Amino acid sequence: GAGVSQSPRYKVAKRGQDVALRCDPISGHVSLFWYQQALGQGPEFLTYFQNEAQLDKSGLPSDRFFAERPEGSVSTLKIQRTQQEDSAVYLCASSLKGLSGGTDTQYFGPGTRLTVL
Amino acid sequence: AQRVTQPEKLLSVFKGAPVELKCNYSYSGSPELFWYVQYSRQRLQLLLRHISRESIKGFTADLNKGETSFHLKKPFAQEEDSAMYYCALSGFSSGSARQLTFGSGTQLTVLP
Repeated sequence: GAGVSQSPRYKVAKRGQDVALRCDPISGHVSLFWYQQALGQGPEFLTYFQNEAQLDKSGLPSDRFFAERPEGSVSTLKIQRTQQEDSAVYLCASSLKGLSGGTDTQYFGPGTRLTVL
Repeated sequence: AQRVTQPEKLLSVFKGAPVELKCNYSYSGSPELFWYVQYSRQRLQLLLRHISRESIKGFTADLNKGETSFHLKKPFAQEEDSAMYYCALSGFSSGSARQLTFGSGTQLTVLP
């Protein structure tokens, strides 16, 4: 079946622009995670949704970062007034179970590579 | 705080040689450990998880709680094993989203 998809795959923004990154999780998956991966580093957690509820946003680096999943499926990560340090690959992952289901395999999308000039 | 350390950024071995990718972690509790792999031009994918105690593509990893390690091993490396490998940890603390904490990765190159 279809895996996690993300769009766009590449995004170039000028410093100060707003960007929106989209994630389509695997159909029926309850949990959705966003990660940020800087060059040469492993992915770092940004935020977590269980269905439409954002239960953890402890990893968001600043209030310029905002995420939503209004209908419990597609999610959007928005970055306002982008800065050069926001340049990274943004990964989305989904898993079948919610928190009560225990640790579950996360399936990753291909990522969106954001470059801020 | 939870932390995963992969001390080797680059690792090269010859085809047929044994390979070991090191992973150490710190976590005050009972974590679940994973190895994820990213082949060239592909997405990150799960290789194995400690709780399954399985061997995938000839790779195994044993959780050593005393040494807080979860090293990935394969007795005979193949060229198709060349990839970036990430060790990751998921904690069970109350209220946690069970997000993964990743190491910085080891790029494995298997030479012909």
